[in-house]
Amino acid sequence: AQSVTQPDIHITVSEGASLELRCNYSYGATPYLFWYVQSPGQGLQLLLKYFSGDTLVQGIKGFEAEFKRSQSSFNLRKPSVHWSDAAEYFCAVGLIQGAQKLVFGQGTRLTINP
Amino acid sequence: GAVVSQHPSWVICKSGTSVKIECRSLDFQATTMFWYRQFPKQSLMLMATSNEGSKATYEQGVEKDKFLINHASLTLSTLTVTSAHPEDSSFYICSARDLTAGGANYGYTFGSGTRLTVV
Repeated sequence: AQSVTQPDIHITVSEGASLELRCNYSYGATPYLFWYVQSPGQGLQLLLKYFSGDTLVQGIKGFEAEFKRSQSSFNLRKPSVHWSDAAEYFCAVGLIQGAQKLVFGQGTRLTINP
Repeated sequence: GAVVSQHPSWVICKSGTSVKIECRSLDFQATTMFWYRQFPKQSLMLMATSNEGSKATYEQGVEKDKFLINHASLTLSTLTVTSAHPEDSSFYICSARDLTAGGANYGYTFGSGTRLTVV
């Protein structure tokens, strides 16, 4: 069965520090990969997505992610975080076949220290 | 870009009553809509997938008779929580996508969510 694992439930970084959020997936083929951000009580905002081509994907708000097929990973990075980046981050796999539904990871809560 | 409007953003209802949540795609035709449930500090759990004009496909463990989903048009899907109980209190989020959009336009657009509290 398809699955997405975000190993870090909660991460705290200082403002201005670099950030990497981990995501690993299990799927029989190369899936569509997404990173979303959710502020408290809000819906999900797409940060970036990967379908094919260049494995380094640039997104909004200065985020980027790298697809590594050999590691089944799609880690999210940002060189310098801002206090406004504090939120919940979800990695998701889009299934290519069938209903093409999304399978979400457990989420990583990001706290920013001033 | 694609926008999905979800209403209401929050609702409080009495136990035993029914609540309807609407999800509208504003600038695209949503051939498929997804309904999720999210408990505090947890991830999104897919409840059901609905295709316009067809019966919804429910995930295992989701009660079809309690969570009624209607997708009567290409821009509107509704989730009705019937005979709500306190354990149904949760954050419900809809998502829509246009299956005709491929390649770089492939994506899912999420509503802003509905906080349901059953008292």
